[in-house]
Amino acid sequence: DGGITQSPKYLFRKEGQNVTLSCEQNLNHDAMYWYRQDPGQGLRLIYYSQIVNDFQKGDIAEGYSVSREKKESFPLTVTSAQKNPTAFYLCASSIGLALGETQYFGPGTRLLVL
Amino acid sequence: GESVGLHLPTLSVQEGDNSIINCAYSNSASDYFIWYKQESGKGPQFIIDIRSNMDKRQGQRVTVLLNKTVKHLSLQIAATQPGDSAVYFCAEKSIAAGNKLTFGGGTRVLVKP
Repeated sequence: DGGITQSPKYLFRKEGQNVTLSCEQNLNHDAMYWYRQDPGQGLRLIYYSQIVNDFQKGDIAEGYSVSREKKESFPLTVTSAQKNPTAFYLCASSIGLALGETQYFGPGTRLLVL
Repeated sequence: GESVGLHLPTLSVQEGDNSIINCAYSNSASDYFIWYKQESGKGPQFIIDIRSNMDKRQGQRVTVLLNKTVKHLSLQIAATQPGDSAVYFCAEKSIAAGNKLTFGGGTRVLVKP
């Protein structure tokens, strides 16, 4: 059963704590992405990775970090420097970064601050 | 900066009627447009796409129209069903921006029985 999985579904963060969101795909896609979605709004790009061991900042990278050590995995860490982390986080993947290649999304992780 | 936006935040449609969701974009260099459907608490689901060298594309019960002259994109859903209730986003890519997706703010479609 191919697809993108994100865990956990809900995550709670305490003040000053770093938390890591998991994203795994078995679609053999090279490119992976992290987006943030605030209530009633569209998605904004945090980070993306075109290939293993490479990643680039998106539009709102401050307070976040990523790694891409394996093709199938692209974890996102929300650091204590991110002052407003409460949001719905979506991971996506695509075959590559070419114009016509579709991004497929995971089910999302909702992050809440205690 | 360049952005993609939507005219109507909420659209109420009678079951069986056709729905039209509109999207205005500001980047005249956009090369590719996509419509996504997002159900509550889930990730966006790809519906249909269109390249900038086309003005119409049809899928199963859906049609996307692109008017580059006025920078307007629309999604038409034929015979709207209760399962079509969701938030719909348009998104665009441009080669100049590295083929990254830029999303609009979304339109909620409510299907009335």
